[in-house]
Amino acid sequence: AQKVTQAQTEISVVEKEDVTLDCVYETRDTTYYLFWYKQPPSGELVFLIRRNSFDEQNEISGRYSWNFQKSTSSFNFTITASQVVDSAVYFCALIRGTSGSRLTFGEGTQLTVNP
Amino acid sequence: GAVVSQHPSRVICKSGTSVKIECRSLDFQATTMFWYRQFPKQSLMLMATSNEGSKATYEQGVEKDKFLINHASLTLSTLTVTSAHPEDSSFYICSARLAGKETQYFGPGTRLTVL
Repeated sequence: AQKVTQAQTEISVVEKEDVTLDCVYETRDTTYYLFWYKQPPSGELVFLIRRNSFDEQNEISGRYSWNFQKSTSSFNFTITASQVVDSAVYFCALIRGTSGSRLTFGEGTQLTVNP
Repeated sequence: GAVVSQHPSRVICKSGTSVKIECRSLDFQATTMFWYRQFPKQSLMLMATSNEGSKATYEQGVEKDKFLINHASLTLSTLTVTSAHPEDSSFYICSARLAGKETQYFGPGTRLTVL
């Protein structure tokens, strides 16, 4: 069975600080995909990134960056120079690489960026 | 691209009535759609997986006669909450996935309140 753990329930930072959201996963599959989604107060889940298990290259997109390390089963997400608009719940998720698989979500991390 | 809409965004109904929620993929054909339920400050809970033209697959503990799902076309899935009761009040979110792809794109959600 798959499991995704986001140990940080809530994080509060001041604007312009850097913040890292942790994600640790468990799976026995060799092929799988990892995701990060953002859920602002409006409720909609916004897709941020997908990473497959064979690609450990880190990725940067503007102020967002992701660090995927298979050795520690982690897929951490860093926001640089945080802004108030980054305040949201962030979910890490995993899906097996086989057809018909379900998306397994972590419990989410509530990020609050204060001005 | 990959936009998913949901209607209505918010609904209030009396106990005993039925409520239909629509989920549409606006710019792609979704062979598979998913229905989730989310309680306050919790993660998403998968209710059912819906494949176009076939019966939905319900997760354990989800009553299929209570939550009717229809996926009549490649761009539309509907969830009908039958004989709604206050305990059915929740945030319902759908997602859609392209054939052969892993990424799920989520709708904006529907907040159901049963009085």
